[in-house]
Amino acid sequence: ELKVEQNPLFLSMQEGKNYTIYCNYSTTSDRLYWYRQDPGKSLESLFVLLSNGAVKQEGRLMASLDTKARLSTLHITAAVHDLSATYFCAVDGVNKFYFGSGTKLNVKP
Amino acid sequence: SAVISQKPSRDICQRGTSLTIQCQVDSQVTMMFWYRQQPGQSLTLIATANQGSEATYESGFVIDKFPISRPNLTFSTLTVSNMSPEDSSIYLCSGLQGVQYFGPGTRLTVL
Repeated sequence: ELKVEQNPLFLSMQEGKNYTIYCNYSTTSDRLYWYRQDPGKSLESLFVLLSNGAVKQEGRLMASLDTKARLSTLHITAAVHDLSATYFCAVDGVNKFYFGSGTKLNVKP
Repeated sequence: SAVISQKPSRDICQRGTSLTIQCQVDSQVTMMFWYRQQPGQSLTLIATANQGSEATYESGFVIDKFPISRPNLTFSTLTVSNMSPEDSSIYLCSGLQGVQYFGPGTRLTVL
């Protein structure tokens, strides 16, 4: 079964700082998704990465995919408090999706 | 993009009863899924809802406990049967349309 590992699980950072969340997965897949979940809310799609070397950026968030290393990163640039949420990566397996444990991000003003 | 609604949004139920959760998508999706999420935890896939046929269940989930229907490409139901307090959780449905879109969730508390 495909395994997805995210780290760190918890991240507390100051506004204005940069940081990276990592998502490793155990078997070959060419599709990886990043989601955001606010407390008490459902999951919101952030990025879809469909091929090796794919890079997507939206505001202060940038996601990349290295299918050979089975690694995706979500980079946060100059964090702001509004980015505080839980971030999940999910890998497209055969007709189903495998989610990481989530990274709970707290950006302190 | 697809917009997914769920009913009810929350419920408090007694042990031994059953609850049916409805999931409606505003456009056709290729696949629909049901997940369970405990507060502060990741998502656990319960099953894939197949149109017009039996759902595909993940290990640890059985049809007698979680019967699922999907009569068409935009609608699915999940029933949580013979509930116990251990079934208290958030239940999420999702639909795949290139991207997996999620409903708002149903927060279930079993007393």
